[in-house]
Amino acid sequence: AQKVTQAQTEISVVEKEDVTLDCVYETRDTTYYLFWYKQPPSGELVFLIRRNSFDEQNEISGRYSWNFQKSTSSFNFTITASQVVDSAVYFCALSDTYGGSQGNLIFGKGTKLSVKP
Amino acid sequence: KAGVTQTPRYLIKTRGQQVTLSCSPISGHRSVSWYQQTPGQGLQFLFEYFSETQRNKGNFPGRFSGRQFSNSRSEMNVSTLELGDSALYLCASSLYVGQPQHFGDGTRLSIL
Repeated sequence: AQKVTQAQTEISVVEKEDVTLDCVYETRDTTYYLFWYKQPPSGELVFLIRRNSFDEQNEISGRYSWNFQKSTSSFNFTITASQVVDSAVYFCALSDTYGGSQGNLIFGKGTKLSVKP
Repeated sequence: KAGVTQTPRYLIKTRGQQVTLSCSPISGHRSVSWYQQTPGQGLQFLFEYFSETQRNKGNFPGRFSGRQFSNSRSEMNVSTLELGDSALYLCASSLYVGQPQHFGDGTRLSIL
């Protein structure tokens, strides 16, 4: 079955700390995509990254980095030197072709990150 | 480039009524998906449209329906509203199926 698990419900850090958000996924497909989205208090989901299942290279974008490991079915997200503006709910999501479902996102429950000044 | 636009932003209805929500995708995007977000169930997929055809549907009752027009704009309709339908309804668009989806601000629906 397709499933995305974000075990951390809430995380609170102090500004400038590094923080890692965990994401574990389940799928029967060999071809799939993984995503991270950010949802600030305003409510809009902001796309952060998409990785496909054949590309296990880690990616860095400014203070953000992502670690994709197929062996452990994980796609973790690290924020380095966190800032107050990083406070939001972060969602990990999976898109695969199982059952013809390509195109719909299966979301984890989200991790609420609070960064205190 | 304008983002995904959803109207209205807020809506209050009573049980038994019906409601129609609108979504205008990013210009050039042909795939539109709808999601329901509630505190209890989180983000759940409703349906996806591409070129006016429903390609995929989530596990929701038949009271939830949608359509897509030739200009890619989409509407979703919920009939015989129930209290449990209170949620944030999010629309997302992408160039093609499987491409990154970009979300609108959502319509917050409250059922009294």
